[in-house]
Amino acid sequence: DAKTTQPPSMDCAEGRAANLPCNHSTISGNEYVYWYRQIHSQGPQYIIHGLKNNETNEMASLIITEDRKSSTLILPHATLRDTAVYYCIVRGNAGGTSYGKLTFGQGTILTVHP
Amino acid sequence: NAGVMQNPRHLVRRRGQEARLRCSPMKGHSHVYWYRQLPEEGLKFMVYLQKENIIDESGMPKERFSAEFPKEGPSILRIQQVVRGDSAAYFCASSPGASGVSYNEQFFGPGTRLTVL
Repeated sequence: DAKTTQPPSMDCAEGRAANLPCNHSTISGNEYVYWYRQIHSQGPQYIIHGLKNNETNEMASLIITEDRKSSTLILPHATLRDTAVYYCIVRGNAGGTSYGKLTFGQGTILTVHP
Repeated sequence: NAGVMQNPRHLVRRRGQEARLRCSPMKGHSHVYWYRQLPEEGLKFMVYLQKENIIDESGMPKERFSAEFPKEGPSILRIQQVVRGDSAAYFCASSPGASGVSYNEQFFGPGTRLTVL
């Protein structure tokens, strides 16, 4: 799976949009970008994933650049409960040797403050 | 629809004892994954199982650790002769399974905190 690079920490004011960047310059054409988050001591929570098109769900939006070398997770109206570690993961193709497992990096610690 | 269940939530063992961690996947899910999170570290993949089969155990320590996912019942992660370095949070995740090129996100349980005295 391609390696990802994220800033170690970010701050965001409550009610504002949180934009979390991720670089994955070695991503290959059949690899998806996944985002998970881990709120203190809890199990990771799936947020969103995408291949090349921008994606939106009830939790967040995912913007993937045209060359697919980077992406941004957007939490449109951050709340205090969004304080967590956010992980950007590039995941291998079904049938590949790396399919199945998620490779977590260090992630970005997002702190939402009042 | 109940989520992924893990028990016990907290487990204390003395050095040399055995630890058994259980994971019940979400209903309808046939794929189970185990991850370990050491104190102040990130999550590390351990093993990926389907019913009665180990698909990928590349993250499992070579000794003392084993995992199974029988036809009936929960998946079990077993650690024999535990040492202090095994103290960690162990998370289980499940997914419905691979389906062509569609991707199935993994749903995580609340974890088991293992403390080795």
